[in-house]
Amino acid sequence: GQQVMQIPQYQHVQEGEDFTTYCNSSTTLSNIQWYKQRPGGHPVFLIQLVKSGEVKKQKRLTFQFGEAKKNSSLHITATQTTDVGTYFCAGGTNFGNEKLTFGTGTRLTIIP
Amino acid sequence: NAGVMQNPRHLVRRRGQEARLRCSPMKGHSHVYWYRQLPEEGLKFMVYLQKENIIDESGMPKERFSAEFPKEGPSILRIQQVVRGDSAAYFCASSPTLQGEAQPQHFGDGTRLSIL
Repeated sequence: GQQVMQIPQYQHVQEGEDFTTYCNSSTTLSNIQWYKQRPGGHPVFLIQLVKSGEVKKQKRLTFQFGEAKKNSSLHITATQTTDVGTYFCAGGTNFGNEKLTFGTGTRLTIIP
Repeated sequence: NAGVMQNPRHLVRRRGQEARLRCSPMKGHSHVYWYRQLPEEGLKFMVYLQKENIIDESGMPKERFSAEFPKEGPSILRIQQVVRGDSAAYFCASSPTLQGEAQPQHFGDGTRLSIL
C-alpha cells in the first residue's frame, strides 16, 4: 500500500534558526496537504498543493511540491516558539473527497 | 460556525466492554473520516464515510470495529470487546462536498480512549 515517510522524525532548533521537513511518497500523488498538531491538540490544516513543482508561501512558511508529485517539503524561516508542534504531510491519490495517507510526522521543538 | 464535534473527549473502558465514539461534522460537510493515533505516532486512516455509506474502510480492523454515518445524527465509531491495544486517540475529520477538488479536512479535538 501507499506509504508516506517524513524526515527527520525529530528536530530541535534554536529560536531564530530555520527548519525544514521532507515528505516522500511511494506513489505519485494528486495532491499533498500539510497539517500542524500542537502537543495535546488536533491536526490543523495549513495548506494544499496540487500542481507539479508548485511553491506556496505563508509568512515564514514555504511549501513545495516536487516535479514528480512524489515529494514535498516545508521550510520555516526564523523559527519562533509558536512553531512548536508536529508537522504532518498527507498525500491523496484521487481528486474529490478522498482518503489521505498521513506521513510519519516531524516533531519540532524550539530552544529559546 | 461550530467545528467538528467529538464526544466524549476522554473515555475509559475495561477490557471486554464496548466503546462508542461520536462525531458531528462541520455544518455543510457530508464526508467523515476516522483516524487513530498512538502516542508519539502519526495518524492512521481507519474509515471514510458519507451519509449512509461507507466509502473506504480499508484501514479499519475487520473484527470488533464498525462505523456508521446515519442519515440523521452523528457518525459513530464502535469498538466491541475492547483490548488494551485499542488505547489511543481517535480523531474524526470532515470535509465539504465539492466535486473534482481535493478538500482540506477539518479535525475534531479527538477522543482519548483508555482501556484498563
